Amino acid sequence: KAGVTQTPRYLIKTRGQQVTLSCSPISGHRSVSWYQQTPGQGLQFLFEYFSETQRNKGNFPGRFSGRQFSNSRSEMNVSTLELGDSALYLCASSRTTRQGGEKLFFGSGTQLSVL
Amino acid sequence: EDKVVQSPLSLVVHEGDTVTLNCSYEVTNFRSLLWYKQEKKAPTFLFMLTSSGIEKKSGRLSSILDKKELFSILNITATQTGDSAIYLCAVGGGGADGLTFGKGTHLIIQP
Repeated sequence: KAGVTQTPRYLIKTRGQQVTLSCSPISGHRSVSWYQQTPGQGLQFLFEYFSETQRNKGNFPGRFSGRQFSNSRSEMNVSTLELGDSALYLCASSRTTRQGGEKLFFGSGTQLSVL
Repeated sequence: EDKVVQSPLSLVVHEGDTVTLNCSYEVTNFRSLLWYKQEKKAPTFLFMLTSSGIEKKSGRLSSILDKKELFSILNITATQTGDSAIYLCAVGGGGADGLTFGKGTHLIIQP
């Protein structure tokens, strides 16, 4: 069974640009969550999608958005990039929405560098 | 606000040693505590604990949860260099904020 796949693996952008990251969950998993990981803050929850609906959202500005498609694949978008957005963005999938106590399976992440 | 604190933040031991990693938490409506191992990029799942006092075991790794004292420990016996990684503790609550992660323990096993 294929794991969680994230593309691209690496991205370099400049301030003010926007970026779109992609995540394909494990087959049969309907929930996709996104996390930002930085050395100073650790992993922080961005949002969760289940059945194409955003279920939960973390404490991030509106520049961070996402969506989920009918095949459960998800995209995350960051507009007007800032230097502080440089981070590893991790996607995780689970069978049902996390609030059911499901364990999350993570992808290898997209390393975003903003110059 | 939910909070997870891991200690120590880093630890260097020799191969064959036994290590204990700590995780304490404050969370609204606790549902589960999870341990992950992060070697390069993708955190890999180790354990999920929901009940107090029941040890979960997988090979040389084991973990236990104390819901009264709000902490968990992860034990690794007979450590090997392949155990070198960042170990992450995360807590799931009843709120809508996803998992709350600790900063992790960076474990280095020297040959």
